[in-house]
Amino acid sequence: DTGVSQDPRHKITKRGQNVTFRCDPISEHNRLYWYRQTLGQGPEFLTYFQNEAQLEKSRLLSDRFSAERPKGSFSTLEIQRTEQGDSAMYLCASSFPDEKLFFGSGTQLSVL
Amino acid sequence: GDSVTQMEGPVTLSEEAFLTINCTYTATGYPSLFWYVQYPGEGLQLLLKATKADDKGSNKGFEATYRKETTSFHLEKGSVQVSDSAVYFCALTYNNNDMRFGAGTRLTVKP
Repeated sequence: DTGVSQDPRHKITKRGQNVTFRCDPISEHNRLYWYRQTLGQGPEFLTYFQNEAQLEKSRLLSDRFSAERPKGSFSTLEIQRTEQGDSAMYLCASSFPDEKLFFGSGTQLSVL
Repeated sequence: GDSVTQMEGPVTLSEEAFLTINCTYTATGYPSLFWYVQYPGEGLQLLLKATKADDKGSNKGFEATYRKETTSFHLEKGSVQVSDSAVYFCALTYNNNDMRFGAGTRLTVKP
């Protein structure tokens, strides 16, 4: 399978814990995006990278959230001191510049 | 800010019925418009797109026309199949950097 893969598929954590998600984009794609989706809503943009550079961050991305793409390939999204409001599906997508996005299946986070 | 509004679901149709899912947008400029589809258990995938006014996007029997005068991008299909059951998202962006999605419309097609 050469699509966008995300790990884990599901994560259950207790409030206050830190969590980290991984995204492996399609290998030739130089853009990588993170979105968050809550039940009954469409995805909301969080941040994106071009190669290893993080070029844009949404106001939704509080200082408890950090994303990295150290070698311009896979990316990680870390949430520190999780809150119940962080419960959502976290989606990763990749693309070439100005071309269509390919989405992964997402990581479902539940904060208890 | 720029946004899209799509008709609330869920929508339930019988096989071979005509489908319309409404989408309107608010934008300061001239964005590209998209329809994405999410089948059960899968990631979002692009269904069709249009990049300028009066463009028609089409794929798998689905169509949508970019209407600047009505700021709309309604999704249509003449004859739906059970396999079309999914959640459909309307979206806009200027350059792929920050794609704005609607809330999604769940379609169920019954045999």
